[in-house]
Amino acid sequence: DQQVKQNSPSLSVQEGRISILNCDYTNSMFDYFLWYKKYPAEGPTFLISISSIKDKNEDGRFTVFLNKSAKHLSLHIVPSQPGDSAVYFCAASVGGSYIPTFGRGTSLIVHP
Amino acid sequence: GAVVSQHPSWVICKSGTSVKIECRSLDFQATTMFWYRQFPKQSLMLMATSNEGSKATYEQGVEKDKFLINHASLTLSTLTVTSAHPEDSSFYICSAPPGQAFGLAGEAGGSQYFGPGTRLLVL
Repeated sequence: DQQVKQNSPSLSVQEGRISILNCDYTNSMFDYFLWYKKYPAEGPTFLISISSIKDKNEDGRFTVFLNKSAKHLSLHIVPSQPGDSAVYFCAASVGGSYIPTFGRGTSLIVHP
Repeated sequence: GAVVSQHPSWVICKSGTSVKIECRSLDFQATTMFWYRQFPKQSLMLMATSNEGSKATYEQGVEKDKFLINHASLTLSTLTVTSAHPEDSSFYICSAPPGQAFGLAGEAGGSQYFGPGTRLLVL
């Protein structure tokens, strides 16, 4: 039973356009959400997070939106760059726990 | 930022042998580290929580006698895959919470620093 779902295994976007990665969750106890970026043969690196008391968090080209009623969050990257090509994992935790539950990831390809 | 290293980065071994993977925090002390496993096109699955000076806590379904964890110091945790079999072939990743890093604010509560991972192939 997947509590964190990333239903799109891959996404292809043209450089300069917006990339939107989606994530759904089922556990209403989750109150902290994170996005990680992972390159091949490397460990994930933290990208951006949001707590359930907010509905938006922005950091440079990256913005995460949280819709609690829909149990849905999304990561927007604008403008997308080829270096953004990676696998993006959505993760969620309860009470800011250091042990989040991860989604399966979405492979983003940004082509020139 | 804080760095977590893993060694080896990849290993190929024969079925039945044991493989040890090291996870080190390079510029901070970590009383807690986490071990994850990732199969192709799957999510990161937490295997166990490694606690310095005490026994590891294993997730449901993870055999503690097969995946031995030793957190011998504040900067080192090891995962030993005993009597490895082809189905153990996977990508193993460790992580440590940033809250333990000296002088580092950390990105936010709940985030972790991940090691680069170890790819294990059992023939």
